[in-house]
Amino acid sequence: GENVEQHPSTLSVQEGDSAVIKCTYSDSASNYFPWYKQELGKGPQLIIDIRSNVGEKKDQRIAVTLNKTAKHFSLHITETQPEDSAVYFCAASKDTGTASKLTFGTGTRLQVTL
Amino acid sequence: GAGVSQSPRYKVAKRGQDVALRCDPISGHVSLFWYQQALGQGPEFLTYFQNEAQLDKSGLPSDRFFAERPEGSVSTLKIQRTQQEDSAVYLCASKIGETQYFGPGTRLLVL
Repeated sequence: GENVEQHPSTLSVQEGDSAVIKCTYSDSASNYFPWYKQELGKGPQLIIDIRSNVGEKKDQRIAVTLNKTAKHFSLHITETQPEDSAVYFCAASKDTGTASKLTFGTGTRLQVTL
Repeated sequence: GAGVSQSPRYKVAKRGQDVALRCDPISGHVSLFWYQQALGQGPEFLTYFQNEAQLDKSGLPSDRFFAERPEGSVSTLKIQRTQQEDSAVYLCASKIGETQYFGPGTRLLVL
């Protein structure tokens, strides 16, 4: 089955700096790659996603890039703010429309310091 | 609109007790997933429903775990004879299009 690896496990940046989180996946058939933000005591919240027919997607301060050949994808957060502090998870799935279980990475704890 | 809700939010059980965890998905969402999240880890897939049909239960760790969604809306995850290793957050997600929307989870502690 699919295996997703995520690095780093912890990341500390100063407010205003950029943060980059990287993930690799094993199943070349995976075609959908969401990123979730999880705050303490809450469920994961989708922040951005990308499909395998797209190389890059951007939404304000957040961007995701995908390299299908190398089977890796990355999350980029620019101009970080204290409210960006949370645990971030990447995930991969073979989205078939309905049956598309997500395989998650182990998470990155991002801390944005003042 | 209302998101995915789960109850109870916290559950403490003595080893050997049975527990039932409830998920109310977003109205109209056909697909429903259960995940287990151990402390410091990412969520791991347990089971999947399309309407009332349980189409994939490959992630259920043992036959002590049972899930149902009899009317295609509310779902219940039941764990029989709980063990300490069952302590985790149990997350429910409902799906429309490509996106899975997660509930807040039920934190289960087995003593």
